[in-house]
Amino acid sequence: AQSVTQLGSHVSVSEGALVLLRCNYSSSVPPYLFWYVQYPNQGLQLLLKYTTGATLVKGINGFEAEFKKSETSFHLTKPSAHMSDAAEYFCAVSAGTNAGKSTFGDGTTLTVKP
Amino acid sequence: NAGVTQTPKFQVLKTGQSMTLQCAQDMNHEYMSWYRQDPGMGLRLIHYSVGAGITDQGEVPNGYNVSRSTTEDFPLRLLSAAPSQTSVYFCASSRGAGGRGYTFGSGTRLTVV
Repeated sequence: AQSVTQLGSHVSVSEGALVLLRCNYSSSVPPYLFWYVQYPNQGLQLLLKYTTGATLVKGINGFEAEFKKSETSFHLTKPSAHMSDAAEYFCAVSAGTNAGKSTFGDGTTLTVKP
Repeated sequence: NAGVTQTPKFQVLKTGQSMTLQCAQDMNHEYMSWYRQDPGMGLRLIHYSVGAGITDQGEVPNGYNVSRSTTEDFPLRLLSAAPSQTSVYFCASSRGAGGRGYTFGSGTRLTVV
């Protein structure tokens, strides 16, 4: 079985501040991990993904995430928040015989204050 | 490329009515999935398909049917709509299994009254 827990349903930061969105996963086999962003009234868009190899992965819009196996974590960061980063963010995992279907976390809404 | 196209964008049904949500992709992706999104609950998998003629159930399949006769199309049928099926439905596709990630459609917002 695979699962994802996103810590904090709402995160608020000031423009220019560090963004940190937390994700912990559970998987009995090596996982594939993803972050998606959803803007209001739109579908989800892939931000970045971890498959194998380098544990620090970079994505679009200046976001990056680090896979830490020992902590079963895949936290999303961005050094400096922009107003345009305000959205809902979803962490997802797929693994093993379930590699073709992803399990999503409950989402974290990011608010950016001017 | 159009990517993943979902129709309709909005729909209101009465309890007991049936309908089909359409999903089409033009990227020749083998994998297609249907998710529903409810506030505070993330996305839950309804049904998925690993290729034409092959479908399987996800986490919340009850009340929904799917079929996949072509690579491009993956319609979702609501057999007898219930208020509990009020949700936003997303179709997604990916090329193969594993670490490629999904391409999502823009969603269908369904209200059952």
